[in-house]
Amino acid sequence: QKEVEQDPGPLSVPEGAIVSLNCTYSNSAFQYFMWYRQYSRKGPELLMYTYSSGNKEDGRFTAQVDKSSKYISLFIRDSQPSDSATYLCAMSDGQNFVFGPGTRLSVLP
Amino acid sequence: DSGVTQTPKHLITATGQRVTLRCSPRSGDLSVYWYQQSLDQGLQFLIQYYNGEERAKGNILERFSAQQFPDLHSELNLSSLELGDSALYFCASSPSGGGRDTQYFGPGTRLTVL
Repeated sequence: QKEVEQDPGPLSVPEGAIVSLNCTYSNSAFQYFMWYRQYSRKGPELLMYTYSSGNKEDGRFTAQVDKSSKYISLFIRDSQPSDSATYLCAMSDGQNFVFGPGTRLSVLP
Repeated sequence: DSGVTQTPKHLITATGQRVTLRCSPRSGDLSVYWYQQSLDQGLQFLIQYYNGEERAKGNILERFSAQQFPDLHSELNLSSLELGDSALYFCASSPSGGGRDTQYFGPGTRLTVL
């Protein structure tokens, strides 16, 4: 079992849809959770950072962490074509950093 | 703009050659990470430096080496290049190198080995 697994995608949605992106993990020591967005052939950029369980909202983006289920999600409301990118989850136990393989999202106008 | 710079942007070379990729971290960041991303593959962690010292090692080949200099910039050296080394190489930096940090990524260097 991989340490971090992510819905492989690709995922195609119409503009305006609500998107749910998910990761599961096996290491219960992970406490810090991040979502990165990567446009094609560009460097990943940090979208959301959360600590422990709970929700965090930033504009159209909501990050959700459920440590009991070892499951994290990123919700995108009112998705736009500019949201088309690969989304990477990342997590850390305070020392080691692990990235998920990424989910490619296409938002169709 | 993350504040992390990488040079060159593109590099085309031949098998068997050696290249050096350069990274300057964000101002104030002490830690540098190197990642490899092949076409349609996830980020593969190669190595991490903190304030000049190696802190963590990932799936880095013996043909690859890195260092971080006193001014905190870092170089990744790739030698005896093979076709399979063609990839995007990203550098990231963080303030302290600990897991509480977030990593900020540079724009990457695209290496093509012919």
